[in-house]
Amino acid sequence: EPEVTQTPSHQVTQMGQEVILRCVPISNHLYFYWYRQILGQKVEFLVSFYNNEISEKSEIFDDQFSVERPDGSNFTLKIRSTKLEDSAMYFCASSEVRVIETQYFGPGTRLLVL
Amino acid sequence: GIQVEQSPPDLILQEGANSTLRCNFSDSVNNLQWFHQNPWGQLINLFYIPSGTKQNGRLSATTVATERYSLLYISSSQTTDSGVYFCAVEGTGNTPLVFGKGTRLSVIA
Repeated sequence: EPEVTQTPSHQVTQMGQEVILRCVPISNHLYFYWYRQILGQKVEFLVSFYNNEISEKSEIFDDQFSVERPDGSNFTLKIRSTKLEDSAMYFCASSEVRVIETQYFGPGTRLLVL
Repeated sequence: GIQVEQSPPDLILQEGANSTLRCNFSDSVNNLQWFHQNPWGQLINLFYIPSGTKQNGRLSATTVATERYSLLYISSSQTTDSGVYFCAVEGTGNTPLVFGKGTRLSVIA
């Protein structure tokens, strides 16, 4: 069964450093998403992406964050200058269409900012 | 935006017992999904169920969209069922997936 993959599974970085989290969505899917989950809390929406542009973003997704689909398979989340409070599990998801369709989640990248 | 409430927040079961987890939501939805977050943090899709009833092995789910709730049933629970169960909904009007706070299930042998 096709699945969403994410790399790396874990990343440790120093405050102020840039990180790039990578995702490979399911190949025939058109909508891509990033979510995050701070330890012990609920999963929160960050951004959705369609047709090479952001379609929605939350308040969390400020100027420090950016997303990109650099080629036909990868979907990346960049955090320009990490803060301690960016420590979280980051999930990528994809769906074939925007509504009335399951979103499939990747296994997550656990980011720790020191 | 749409609100999602899950109950109970915590549940401890003896192996073999049955349980019902509830998800209430505040508005009409286009999408409702149940997830199991395992001890490694992975979110496992259980059901896509904006309405109706589905079954998959020992798990089943029912969503009554008109009354704005969904139920997840776990029968003959096993220790591997332990983890956090999340309900997530997508409202009408092109809104993102909103998660509840989850139900933490512990199944003890």
